Amino acid sequence: DQQVKQNSPSLSVQEGRISILNCDYTNSMFDYFLWYKKYPAEGPTFLISISSIKDKNEDGRFTVFLNKSAKHLSLHIVPSQPGDSAVYFCAASESFGNEKLTFGTGTRLTIIP
Amino acid sequence: GAVVSQHPSWVICKSGTSVKIECRSLDFQATTMFWYRQFPKQSLMLMATSNEGSKATYEQGVEKDKFLINHASLTLSTLTVTSAHPEDSSFYICSARDFMGAAGGGNEQFFGPGTRLTVL
Repeated sequence: DQQVKQNSPSLSVQEGRISILNCDYTNSMFDYFLWYKKYPAEGPTFLISISSIKDKNEDGRFTVFLNKSAKHLSLHIVPSQPGDSAVYFCAASESFGNEKLTFGTGTRLTIIP
Repeated sequence: GAVVSQHPSWVICKSGTSVKIECRSLDFQATTMFWYRQFPKQSLMLMATSNEGSKATYEQGVEKDKFLINHASLTLSTLTVTSAHPEDSSFYICSARDFMGAAGGGNEQFFGPGTRLTVL
């Protein structure tokens, strides 16, 4: 039972444009969400997070939007840069401080120069 | 930022042997470490939560007698795959949470680079 879903296994975006990565979840107990970025042969690195009390969180070029009623979140990267090419994982936990993370299957983002 | 290392980065072993994977937090103390497994084209699946000085908590479906976890210090956790079989071949990743928050706030976990296990 995949509680966190990333339905697009891959995405290609022109450099300078906006990249939008989507994530859906089914567990209504999730209320803290994170995005991780992963390069080949490396572990995931934390990018940005959002609590369910917010609908948007921004950090530089990265913005995460949360639509709790739709159980959907998205990561926007603008402008996209070649170094953003990686696999992006969405993750969720049942509360801030709850250490168990449930991950999505990842989306491979390729930025085209 | 916080650094978590894993050793070895890859290992090939014969069926029936045991393999030990180490996970170290290099610049912070981690009272809690996590072990994940990732099969090709699948998500990271949490196997167990390792707490320093106490028994690990295993996720449903993970055999605790097969995947032995030891968290003997605040900077080291080990995962031993006992009597490994080809179906145990996978990418094993550990992560650590910074108890004191010195390496970063929030609920984020810091991940190691992973260990590729191939069982022949």
